Amino acid sequence: AQTVTQSQPEMSVQEAETVTLSCTYDTSENNYYLFWYKQPPSRQMILVIRQEAYKQQNATENRFSVNFQKAAKSFSLKISDSQLGDTAMYFCAFGSYNTDKLIFGTGTRLQVFP
Amino acid sequence: NAGVMQNPRHLVRRRGQEARLRCSPMKGHSHVYWYRQLPEEGLKFMVYLQKENIIDESGMPKERFSAEFPKEGPSILRIQQVVRGDSAAYFCASSPSGQGAAGYTFGSGTRLTVV
Repeated sequence: AQTVTQSQPEMSVQEAETVTLSCTYDTSENNYYLFWYKQPPSRQMILVIRQEAYKQQNATENRFSVNFQKAAKSFSLKISDSQLGDTAMYFCAFGSYNTDKLIFGTGTRLQVFP
Repeated sequence: NAGVMQNPRHLVRRRGQEARLRCSPMKGHSHVYWYRQLPEEGLKFMVYLQKENIIDESGMPKERFSAEFPKEGPSILRIQQVVRGDSAAYFCASSPSGQGAAGYTFGSGTRLTVV
């Protein structure tokens, strides 16, 4: 069974600085997706970034980028130039090609302060 | 193009009552997924449905919980005889055919409080 582990319950960063959130996972599958979702206080689940395991190139979306290490089963999220609006819970998730369901980590609460 | 619509946004039920949560998928999406988020936890898969079919209900509690996605109308997650432990946020996601987890769009969730 797949598992997703986020070992940082809380993180904080100063506005305009860079922060990295960690995620590790376990699977025996070779092809899969990995995601980072943002959940602000409004509770909406917002897709931040997606990585397909067969792609060696790390995904990037504006200020958000990932460091995907397939052999180490590691998938960290880097947020550059942090903004106050980045304050939220961040969830790492694993998606199998074989099933349509997502396996989520327990989340990291990120606080961006002025 | 409205997103995934969930209602109600908040629902309060007394112990023993029934809760009915509704989810209307995005236009063109034929796959619906329900997840539950307990306080301070990540989302956990409950059930995956297509029109008139339950595809995977491996995450559904064996008793009191049921889900449907009829030919017409929204998907319904039904919880009978609610207990305090059912208090959680329930999220629905929809996806177009063939995209699976890669095509998810989440709704805003329904927060169920059992008093």
